[in-house]
Amino acid sequence: DVKVTQSSRYLVKRTGEKVFLECVQDMDHENMFWYRQDPGLGLRLIYFSYDVKMKEKGDIPEGYSVSREKKERFSLILESASTNQTSMYLCASRTVYGYTFGSGTRLTVV
Amino acid sequence: AQSVTQPDIHITVSEGASLELRCNYSYGATPYLFWYVQSPGQGLQLLLKYFSGDTLVQGIKGFEAEFKRSQSSFNLRKPSVHWSDAAEYFCAVGETNAGNMLTFGGGTRLMVKP
Repeated sequence: DVKVTQSSRYLVKRTGEKVFLECVQDMDHENMFWYRQDPGLGLRLIYFSYDVKMKEKGDIPEGYSVSREKKERFSLILESASTNQTSMYLCASRTVYGYTFGSGTRLTVV
Repeated sequence: AQSVTQPDIHITVSEGASLELRCNYSYGATPYLFWYVQSPGQGLQLLLKYFSGDTLVQGIKGFEAEFKRSQSSFNLRKPSVHWSDAAEYFCAVGETNAGNMLTFGGGTRLMVKP
């Protein structure tokens, strides 16, 4: 089975900090995604990547950037964390058969 | 652009009762449709998906869904709910020509009464 691992389950950061959320998949998938999940809003796409060093903005990229230096790793970066970025962040990897999601990182910005 | 609507934010059913979760989508062509379940503190797990062919799709954990093009719907059903089915359920639509990026509905939280 494909495994998508997010390095942190819970994070608490201060306003203005630079935050890195890491995601690793173990099946050599080309497509990887970052979503944020908020109550009543479902999952919204922040960024996705279809290959190493390739990235595309999703629906809500403002305040975020990403890095994909190796195929298995897709990092989400909050350049200067703000309280409105408190959320659950989900990473996913995709094949033609569908998506596999990580367990999520719950980020609280105080 | 595509969109997905799950009209019911919360649903409560009794254990053993039948369940139907509604999903309506907006998409110009034939969509790729998915249902995911998320248990508390977990990521999303795929229940079932529809790409083409038979419009009644069977999934894991006894769930099924029916694609109705005329109604732009993809409702999820289960004949007899178990307490372990309490979770949040997300319907999603994928673009057929853009790397299958998913657009998710807002989710339906299912609570199961004993």
